[in-house]
Amino acid sequence: GIQVEQSPPDLILQEGANSTLRCNFSDSVNNLQWFHQNPWGQLINLFYIPSGTKQNGRLSATTVATERYSLLYISSSQTTDSGVYFCAVVRAGTALIFGKGTTLSVSS
Amino acid sequence: DSGVTQTPKHLITATGQRVTLRCSPRSGDLSVYWYQQSLDQGLQFLIQYYNGEERAKGNILERFSAQQFPDLHSELNLSSLELGDSALYFCASSPTLTENTEAFFGQGTRLTVV
Repeated sequence: GIQVEQSPPDLILQEGANSTLRCNFSDSVNNLQWFHQNPWGQLINLFYIPSGTKQNGRLSATTVATERYSLLYISSSQTTDSGVYFCAVVRAGTALIFGKGTTLSVSS
Repeated sequence: DSGVTQTPKHLITATGQRVTLRCSPRSGDLSVYWYQQSLDQGLQFLIQYYNGEERAKGNILERFSAQQFPDLHSELNLSSLELGDSALYFCASSPTLTENTEAFFGQGTRLTVV
């Protein structure tokens, strides 16, 4: 099946710093989503982005489907950004397949 | 609030027991998915239902089963529970199939088997 690899596995930042999270996938996909799992375990939708670039406040994402990767940018990070960021992809006939996530810790 | 409702939020039960987890999808969504999140296995897809019919199966154990009812809510039944079944169980829903639509997740049911 399709492999989804996220990097880095862990990231420690000071408040105000910027970061880039990467998601590589091993085959073509129909759908790609980014999620934030907060410390209470909730999975929050960040982006639905099978291709192209989207921005939402301090967060933006870019997916280059032809090169099989997606990037999530977090600017001016805040302590509330802490948690685990997941990339998940779908190929035809399957459900969302998740990467192992990037654990982000932002300290004040 | 994603619009996907899962009950109960927490469940503690003994080994060998059977439990039922419930999921109400977002209004209008026809697809329901179940996922298991454990520390060692990450987020694993279990099973998908679309408009009442089983659509796809992932790594779901034979001791687990699910169904989607005519009102589109879904239930995940876990039987002969083992300590290793302790995990966070998520339900997700989407309007059609996630190949082309965005999926939204409920808050999860945290199952502890003692």
